[in-house]
Amino acid sequence: EPEVTQTPSHQVTQMGQEVILRCVPISNHLYFYWYRQILGQKVEFLVSFYNNEISEKSEIFDDQFSVERPDGSNFTLKIRSTKLEDSAMYFCASSRGTYNSPLHFGNGTRLTVT
Amino acid sequence: SQQGEEDPQALSIQEGENATMNCSYKTSINNLQWYRQNSGRGLVHLILIRSNEREKHSGRLRVTLDTSKKSSSLLITASRAADTASYFCATVNTNAGKSTFGDGTTLTVKP
Repeated sequence: EPEVTQTPSHQVTQMGQEVILRCVPISNHLYFYWYRQILGQKVEFLVSFYNNEISEKSEIFDDQFSVERPDGSNFTLKIRSTKLEDSAMYFCASSRGTYNSPLHFGNGTRLTVT
Repeated sequence: SQQGEEDPQALSIQEGENATMNCSYKTSINNLQWYRQNSGRGLVHLILIRSNEREKHSGRLRVTLDTSKKSSSLLITASRAADTASYFCATVNTNAGKSTFGDGTTLTVKP
């Protein structure tokens, strides 16, 4: 069964550094998402992306965050200048359609900012 | 309060028993979905119930939706140790398909 893959599985970075988290969504899916989960807390929406542009973003997704689909397969999340509070699990998800299509999640990237 | 709050926060049962988890939400929705998350892994979609549906079954899972009370329940029958995981409800109420997740219920099934 096709799946969403994320790399790396774990990223350690120093505060102020830029990080890029990578995702390969399921190939025939059209909608892409990033969520994050701080340890022990709920899964929080960051951004949705469709037709090469952001559809919706949360308050968390400020100017330090950006997303890109640089080619036909990858979907990336960039954090320009990481803060300690950016430490979390970052999940990429994709879906075939919008609100009546389930999300398919990757296994996440654990980002640790020191 | 947040959209999508699960109750209870933690549930511990013996194998073979049924597990019931509840979810409440605040705004109108297109649909409500339940996901499962094993420790350190991504979320796996279990079942989707649309706003005009009241009950849905999938294997050992039964989901109900009461839009008048803005609540949903997930029943897992004849639980197994492998059902041990966190379970999240998620509501979708925008055209962009953004899902809003609850705090989750941590289920422990003892063999």
